[in-house]
Amino acid sequence: DSGVTQTPKHLITATGQRVTLRCSPRSGDLSVYWYQQSLDQGLQFLIQYYNGEERAKGNILERFSAQQFPDLHSELNLSSLELGDSALYFCASSFGTSGELFFGEGSRLTVL
Amino acid sequence: GQNIDQPTEMTATEGAIVQINCTYQTSGFNGLFWYQQHAGEAPTFLSYNVLDGLEEKGRFSSFLSRSKGYSYLLLKELQMKDSASYLCAVGSSNTGKLIFGQGTTLQVKP
Repeated sequence: DSGVTQTPKHLITATGQRVTLRCSPRSGDLSVYWYQQSLDQGLQFLIQYYNGEERAKGNILERFSAQQFPDLHSELNLSSLELGDSALYFCASSFGTSGELFFGEGSRLTVL
Repeated sequence: GQNIDQPTEMTATEGAIVQINCTYQTSGFNGLFWYQQHAGEAPTFLSYNVLDGLEEKGRFSSFLSRSKGYSYLLLKELQMKDSASYLCAVGSSNTGKLIFGQGTTLQVKP
């Protein structure tokens, strides 16, 4: 158990819909990272927050947005969903802005 | 930008030794990480190199050459449970984010 909690574990929805994925980092960690992993693909970096502020942005689609709240949990919002958005979405956390990332179990999104 | 290359698949025999190579090109380097990921599960941390040389941790060792943009993960005394994907990742010096390679799927056969 990494200490990073993600909900929901599984989510099935239809094209055009909007979903929110939630992540609670390890106690004391200030950085939260979001990654997307499609079938047989590597981990694609989406976005990073540090202590409530956006720190780095990857190839995140405009239909996707995220935020980190004062209690340090984070949410990833995916809207106007397409079939290609079906993937495992991982959240990871770290104390600062370097070193090992600890990954949650992931949220598996299926868009039908 | 960053570019990370590692073999897609490897096969090895139980009890043997296997070396998984990773080459990278990056701007702003803050360490080379190796993670293990079983299918459908979360990646788990294996090793971290920030200076040149070999880091050993039990059956797993990792090597880094910064001048060559090269790393390898060495797995000794392979066990069936080592069948997994092994992800090479480069740390960003500015943010701490990790950029991952596509991963190497290792199959250990009896």
